Amino acid sequence: GNSVTQMEGPVTLSEEAFLTINCTYTATGYPSLFWYVQYPGEGLQLLLKATKADDKGSNKGFEATYRKETTSFHLEKGSVQVSDSAVYFCALNKNQAGTALIFGKGTTLSVSS
Amino acid sequence: DAGVIQSPRHEVTEMGQEVTLRCKPISGHNSLFWYRQTMMRGLELLIYFNNNVPIDDSGMPEDRFSAKMPNASFSTLKIQPSEPRDSAVYFCASSLEDRPYEQYFGPGTRLTVT
Repeated sequence: GNSVTQMEGPVTLSEEAFLTINCTYTATGYPSLFWYVQYPGEGLQLLLKATKADDKGSNKGFEATYRKETTSFHLEKGSVQVSDSAVYFCALNKNQAGTALIFGKGTTLSVSS
Repeated sequence: DAGVIQSPRHEVTEMGQEVTLRCKPISGHNSLFWYRQTMMRGLELLIYFNNNVPIDDSGMPEDRFSAKMPNASFSTLKIQPSEPRDSAVYFCASSLEDRPYEQYFGPGTRLTVT
């Protein structure tokens, strides 16, 4: 079945640093790819998505490009803020038929001022 | 609009007791998902419903777990009997039928079984 692997954290950065969180996937067919974010004490929320190869999802300064050749969907941000401190989850659809998602283990980002 | 509502937010119970977690999805959403989050296993899908019908329950750990969705605005996840290894944060999420992967999560229920 489909699966996703993301880099282990925690990732600790200073404010305004560049962020990359790696995510690779294994899937049959052409999955849709997602990044979700979980702020402390809250549920997950969708950050961005890409539904086909070479698509770039973007939101709140974060970007990720669907790379079919490397089966990757790395999350990037040019200048992080303290408010970006959260846990980030890479996800893809479980299979072609259903609507369930498979999430990675999550990567904790901590940004200090 | 109110988001996904879950209750209780925290539950502490003794091993062997029955636990019922409740969820009210966003009005108009057709799909509802139950997840469990632990440090060891991350975020796991337990079961999901489309239009109140269970579609995939392959993630339900064992017969001690059961989920129902009697109507479009309410779902329950029951654990009976509970065990310490069930301790986790349980999330409910909902989505629209035409945007199934854009899931809106509730704040979660933190369950502790002693």
